[in-house]
Amino acid sequence: QSALTQPASVSGSPGQSITISCTGTSSDVGGYNYVSWYQQHPGKAPKLMIYDVSNRPSGVSNRFSGSKSGNTASLTISGLQAEDEADYYCSSYTSSSTLEGVFGGGTKLTVL
Amino acid sequence: EVQLVESGGGLIQPGGSLRLSCAASGFTVSSNYMSWVRQAPGKGLEWVSVIYSGGSTYYADSVKGRFTISRDNSKNTLYLQMNSLRAEDTAVYYCARGGSSNSGSYFPFDYWGQGTLVTVSS
Repeated sequence: QSALTQPASVSGSPGQSITISCTGTSSDVGGYNYVSWYQQHPGKAPKLMIYDVSNRPSGVSNRFSGSKSGNTASLTISGLQAEDEADYYCSSYTSSSTLEGVFGGGTKLTVL
Repeated sequence: EVQLVESGGGLIQPGGSLRLSCAASGFTVSSNYMSWVRQAPGKGLEWVSVIYSGGSTYYADSVKGRFTISRDNSKNTLYLQMNSLRAEDTAVYYCARGGSSNSGSYFPFDYWGQGTLVTVSS
């Protein structure tokens, strides 16, 4: 079981904005600015979209943004496009001695 | 250009062993945290193991004592030796640059390989 909780699914229409949440604890999301987000299309490897809560790697569209409040991090995608339909995973630094629960359970984004 | 290419997956019987390889180019494996992450069919991502730039290693409880992560600096290659395989180890295994320690270091998984499928079945 993941230590980070994400909604199983979200959906939106083209052009709309959606937000995916990632809830942890003060030992991970809430305690450190080390949250990252990954996009995964079917049959493909994950791709880093956001790191350190709100930073975008070079080449990632500015339609993707990240934020954090307390123990919950969020990924917002604005101006939804059909190509954004994918699974999204959050990941956080954890002070747990086992390093378990590095990833959230994943969220399936459907573009209607 | 950074590239990670995994190999070594396949069909293996329960109790068997397999060694996965991840050949890196465009950066030096030994200077980075390197991890293995797996994904069971239809499931989410699961972190498996990390090797730190200093050489220390760490494992998920589910594989501890059965899997061994290592690297060959001369070949710039990461490995995962998997012993005593179980049906629940069936997954696509990805190598990725990045990882974390519980002493405050965190590097996002910024590069991933294409994955190699391991199927454990009789």
